Amino acid sequence: AQRVTQPEKLLSVFKGAPVELKCNYSYSGSPELFWYVQYSRQRLQLLLRHISRESIKGFTADLNKGETSFHLKKPFAQEEDSAMYYCALSDAGNQFYFGTGTSLTVIP
Amino acid sequence: DAGITQSPRHKVTETGTPVTLRCHQTENHRYMYWYRQDPGHGLRLIHYSYGVKDTDKGEVSDGYSVSRSKTEDFLLTLESATSSQTSVYFCAISDPGFMLSTGNTIYFGEGSWLTVV
Repeated sequence: AQRVTQPEKLLSVFKGAPVELKCNYSYSGSPELFWYVQYSRQRLQLLLRHISRESIKGFTADLNKGETSFHLKKPFAQEEDSAMYYCALSDAGNQFYFGTGTSLTVIP
Repeated sequence: DAGITQSPRHKVTETGTPVTLRCHQTENHRYMYWYRQDPGHGLRLIHYSYGVKDTDKGEVSDGYSVSRSKTEDFLLTLESATSSQTSVYFCAISDPGFMLSTGNTIYFGEGSWLTVV
């Protein structure tokens, strides 16, 4: 079975502070992992995917196969980062599995 | 943004009535999905389609049916709406052959807010 776990439902940080949103997964094969962001009442948008190793809006995420984690990090949080963040996993059957999401609030 | 249009965007309906949500894509992607989004549950897959007339159930399919008669359209029907189906419904698309060099990605529509009273 494929599972994605985001242990934090809510996360608050001050502007300028580092932020880390946790994601752990369980998957028997080689997963494709993603982070999606959802601003208030909008569609989910792709933030980044591990396969392309890109950095979007200052966010990065490293796949740690030993710890089965794909934590999202940003060194200096901005107010516009306040949103809901979803970690997702894609399997070989083209199914996508999402975590329950973490709501990030950046305090001015 | 991916060319995905959902309709209606907002609907209020009465318990026991049938409801159909429509998803239309202009990307010619093979896979289409319907998810529901609820607080504390995140996104849960209702049904998905891997081609015209090819559909399968997701984890929360009870009370829902789908149809895909054309590549671009994927319909979600609540056969007899209940209050527990009050939710935000998101359509999504993907195509594993679309971007082989950078991996598959799923793209979402803007959501349909459904309230069952």
